[in-house]
Amino acid sequence: EAQVTQNPRYLITVTGKKLTVTCSQNMNHEYMSWYRQDPGLGLRQIYYSMNVEVTDKGDVPEGYKVSRKEKRNFPLILESPSPNQTSLYFCASSLLGQGLGEQFFGPGTRLTVL
Amino acid sequence: AQKVTQAQTEISVVEKEDVTLDCVYETRDTTYYLFWYKQPPSGELVFLIRRNSFDEQNEISGRYSWNFQKSTSSFNFTITASQVVDSAVYFCALRGQGGSEKLVFGKGTKLTVNP
Repeated sequence: EAQVTQNPRYLITVTGKKLTVTCSQNMNHEYMSWYRQDPGLGLRQIYYSMNVEVTDKGDVPEGYKVSRKEKRNFPLILESPSPNQTSLYFCASSLLGQGLGEQFFGPGTRLTVL
Repeated sequence: AQKVTQAQTEISVVEKEDVTLDCVYETRDTTYYLFWYKQPPSGELVFLIRRNSFDEQNEISGRYSWNFQKSTSSFNFTITASQVVDSAVYFCALRGQGGSEKLVFGKGTKLTVNP
């Protein structure tokens, strides 16, 4: 089954404790991206990757890191989480370019930083 | 800059009513793609439709229909004979060409269908 998986689905942590949210896709997609969703703001892009070892900042990258060492994985790293990073996070993947368009989303990770 | 506006923050209807969710977009790209996603209370994002800028044909899928009008930069979504299971937040999104290829989302419209 074609899918994007994220782990963990729920996480409660404390300020300053490093954490990683994993994202994996099995569709051989070049493009992967992280979004955060906040009430009244919709979804905003944090980071994206066009392919292995190619990553770039989205609209709200502060406080986040990513890596793309393998095509299927795109982890989101919070080196020192703060309460303003409490949010619902989505990983997405798609084929690159040509407007084939549909981004497949993971199930979401609900993060609370105390 | 690209922008998607969903002016309706919340809509409440009674079951079996028809409801239209508005979406207005801004882009300078000549080629772009428009999407609708549904987010039920469980939180996942469910893809509903993709439409490219060269295809202005309206589409119907069961009780769902979409009206794409480039002249007014709108991509509205109508649910006919709404059901309680349609209760969700609906997002309209735009993806341009090149650059980050990110999806630019509207802020969403929360639809509540009451029995």
